[in-house]
Amino acid sequence: DTAVSQTPKYLVTQMGNDKSIKCEQNLGHDTMYWYKQDSKKFLKIMFSYNNKELIINETVPNRFSPKSPDKAHLNLHINSLELGDSAVYFCASSRLRGSYNEQFFGPGTRLTVL
Amino acid sequence: DQQVKQNSPSLSVQEGRISILNCDYTNSMFDYFLWYKKYPAEGPTFLISISSIKDKNEDGRFTVFLNKSAKHLSLHIVPSQPGDSAVYFCAASARVSNFGNEKLTFGTGTRLTIIP
Repeated sequence: DTAVSQTPKYLVTQMGNDKSIKCEQNLGHDTMYWYKQDSKKFLKIMFSYNNKELIINETVPNRFSPKSPDKAHLNLHINSLELGDSAVYFCASSRLRGSYNEQFFGPGTRLTVL
Repeated sequence: DQQVKQNSPSLSVQEGRISILNCDYTNSMFDYFLWYKKYPAEGPTFLISISSIKDKNEDGRFTVFLNKSAKHLSLHIVPSQPGDSAVYFCAASARVSNFGNEKLTFGTGTRLTIIP
């Protein structure tokens, strides 16, 4: 199936640990994103890459580092995890639809920091 | 600063009736508005959009209305069907680069329940 996939779907870890979330899209899109949905259900953009180049970097702690080995992958590495990092993280990719980029979202990764 | 607001966290509508979901925004720089639909344990999926130069866009049972002077948009679903039960997110877009990267600002969502 063509889609945006994320692994793992659930991630439970201790404070202070380092973890990674992987994202892959086989839609042939050049642009990929990471979003965070917190406990208040706000869905906020964190990063956006175009063809492996960082384009959008919102005010995100340095502990979060995206890595794009190729345009089909955008991984998110988080160092020294904190309780406040608990959230659902969504990856997305986009294609041009008229004058707008239609974004396709992955199923999300629920991160719980204990 | 919440630039996109959905003030109704939930809405219940009888099957066959019209569902109206509302959204307000504060940033006049937004040039595109979208509605996304989300089922549990899945990512949001694109539903319908509207450019800031239009006031209405229709796609089957879904119509989005934009009132720029009031900074308000609404999504109408008619007739409502049980499969429409989901969380609906309003989003606003501001293009941030020549590459076409879209920075979407989302509302907090409205949970729509269609009652059979």
